[in-house]
Amino acid sequence: GQQLNQSPQSMFIQEGEDVSMNCTSSSIFNTWLWYKQDPGEGPVLLIALYKAGELTSNGRLTAQFGITRKDSFLNISASIPSDVGIYFCAGYTGANSKLTFGKGITLSVRP
Amino acid sequence: SQTIHQWPATLVQPVGSPLSLECTVEGTSNPNLYWYRQAAGRGLQLLFYSVGIGQISSEVPQNLSASRPQDRQFILSSKKLLLSDSGFYLCAWGTGTGGNEQYFGPGTRLTVT
Repeated sequence: GQQLNQSPQSMFIQEGEDVSMNCTSSSIFNTWLWYKQDPGEGPVLLIALYKAGELTSNGRLTAQFGITRKDSFLNISASIPSDVGIYFCAGYTGANSKLTFGKGITLSVRP
Repeated sequence: SQTIHQWPATLVQPVGSPLSLECTVEGTSNPNLYWYRQAAGRGLQLLFYSVGIGQISSEVPQNLSASRPQDRQFILSSKKLLLSDSGFYLCAWGTGTGGNEQYFGPGTRLTVT
């Protein structure tokens, strides 16, 4: 079945640094979504991407829909302590009502 | 605007006891509804989804069941809980159109003892 690969499992950065995460697949997706989950809460949708090559920003976050439609990346600039959490990518093929999720990357920000 | 509620927020239940978790959505009609389980703060496992009243699709065999008695209500149940049912249960709703964006509730932390 379809899988989304996110690695590494954990990332540790210094406050103020930029960080980039990517999400890859062997399958093509029509939509890429990025979510952030704070501890003990439900994931929150950060950015949605709908077209190959699309680059979208949300504050300090920027995400891109890969040209091949098999990958996406998320950049966080000038990280702050509240950026800690688990970042999930998700893809939608359009074929059914389900999303395919990556396993997530846990981000830690050292002050 | 749309709002999604889950209750209870936390639950501690003994092995073998029944379970009922409820999810309701406000501010939208005929949403797709989803139940996910998350173990140890990691990946999201899709358990059930529904595209309409009375329509339930099961993703994994297990001792859980789901029902959708009303358009914006989704219930997760079990007749007898197992230790392995412990986890963080998340309900989500989606429009099912466009990019199929899903929006998650606050979750229920279930501990089976």
